[in-house]
Amino acid sequence: AQTVTQSQPEMSVQEAETVTLSCTYDTSESDYYLFWYKQPPSRQMILVIRQEAYKQQNATENRFSVNFQKAAKSFSLKISDSQLGDAAMYFCAYRSGNTDKLIFGTGTRLQVFP
Amino acid sequence: DTGVSQDPRHKITKRGQNVTFRCDPISEHNRLYWYRQTLGQGPEFLTYFQNEAQLEKSRLLSDRFSAERPKGSFSTLEIQRTEQGDSAMYLCASSPPEGLGQPQHFGDGTRLSIL
Repeated sequence: AQTVTQSQPEMSVQEAETVTLSCTYDTSESDYYLFWYKQPPSRQMILVIRQEAYKQQNATENRFSVNFQKAAKSFSLKISDSQLGDAAMYFCAYRSGNTDKLIFGTGTRLQVFP
Repeated sequence: DTGVSQDPRHKITKRGQNVTFRCDPISEHNRLYWYRQTLGQGPEFLTYFQNEAQLEKSRLLSDRFSAERPKGSFSTLEIQRTEQGDSAMYLCASSPPEGLGQPQHFGDGTRLSIL
């Protein structure tokens, strides 16, 4: 069975600085997708960025980028120029290539200090 | 563009009662998902539909849980004879039909509290 591990329960960063959130996963499949979702307090979960396993190029979305290391089964999220609005729970998620369900990690709570 | 809508936002009930939640997906999204999220944890998959067909159910979904999507539009999740352990946030998500790589769009969730 696939698993997703987020080993950092909490992280903090100063405004305008860069922070990296870690995620590792375990799978025997070669076809899959990886996602980072953001869940602000008492608000809905929104997609931050996604990565297809067959793509070697790391995905980027404005200030958000990933470091996808397929052999190491690592999928970290880098947030550049952190903003106060980035404060939230961040969840890493895995989706197999032949099923629709998402498997989530336990999340990392990111605090951003002015 | 209307997002995924869930009703109610909060539900407080006594142990042993039945509860039903509703989810309205984004229009034209043919896939609909239910997840459960307990405090300090990531969401756990419960079940999903493609149109009106329920294609996968988690082992977490005991026989007290039932989900329907009768016309391929909105979905309901019913919990019968609620237990303390059912207290959680129930999240609904939907995704478009273009492929498995499409991201899931989440609603605000229904928070269930069992007294």
